Amino acid sequence: DAGITQSPRHKVTETGTPVTLRCHQTENHRYMYWYRQDPGHGLRLIHYSYGVKDTDKGEVSDGYSVSRSKTEDFLLTLESATSSQTSVYFCATCLAGQETQYFGPGTRLLVL
Amino acid sequence: AQSVTQLGSHVSVSEGALVLLRCNYSSSVPPYLFWYVQYPNQGLQLLLKYTTGATLVKGINGFEAEFKKSETSFHLTKPSAHMSDAAEYFCAVSYGNNRLAFGKGNQVVVIP
Repeated sequence: DAGITQSPRHKVTETGTPVTLRCHQTENHRYMYWYRQDPGHGLRLIHYSYGVKDTDKGEVSDGYSVSRSKTEDFLLTLESATSSQTSVYFCATCLAGQETQYFGPGTRLLVL
Repeated sequence: AQSVTQLGSHVSVSEGALVLLRCNYSSSVPPYLFWYVQYPNQGLQLLLKYTTGATLVKGINGFEAEFKKSETSFHLTKPSAHMSDAAEYFCAVSYGNNRLAFGKGNQVVVIP
């Protein structure tokens, strides 16, 4: 358990509005990840971070941006939300030198 | 590219019967392999993992998995299903920079 919290836990928004999801961890893990989970697709990596201000794209990064200004926080931004971004979003962390990822409780996002 | 195949999105098993979930992967390097479990409305929890050494790995809640390099498989088993095993199960393989590729998951239903 890496002491991961996600906020908000639920959000309803309208198409075209910006949305920011926050992931906060208390264990000083170096790596942080954002995934989306959709039925029939499993988990797909959106973006990940390997240190403060060091981020890279995952397999489904279009329409998303991220920022990591502090070790403990990793923000995911949907600049202009679309209905296809309705999903459950999970944050995960990983300690340097290990491969095991620890997951947060998720954020359920509905874009109308 | 790394990929993970889990066949059968829904798996039904009778209480007390064997649970068998199949996972095959493709990887260009010796993999680290994982099984995660997700209970309703929760994040993913690590069930077990293979990194190096013994190919039969024991996890929590009576689950185990065997790494077979020649078959590129990492199947998950439990001798006797319990009602509390009803959940979704994900197989994952590591690939570069502490990233994981996930299978699409198996939803396990336990029949009394």
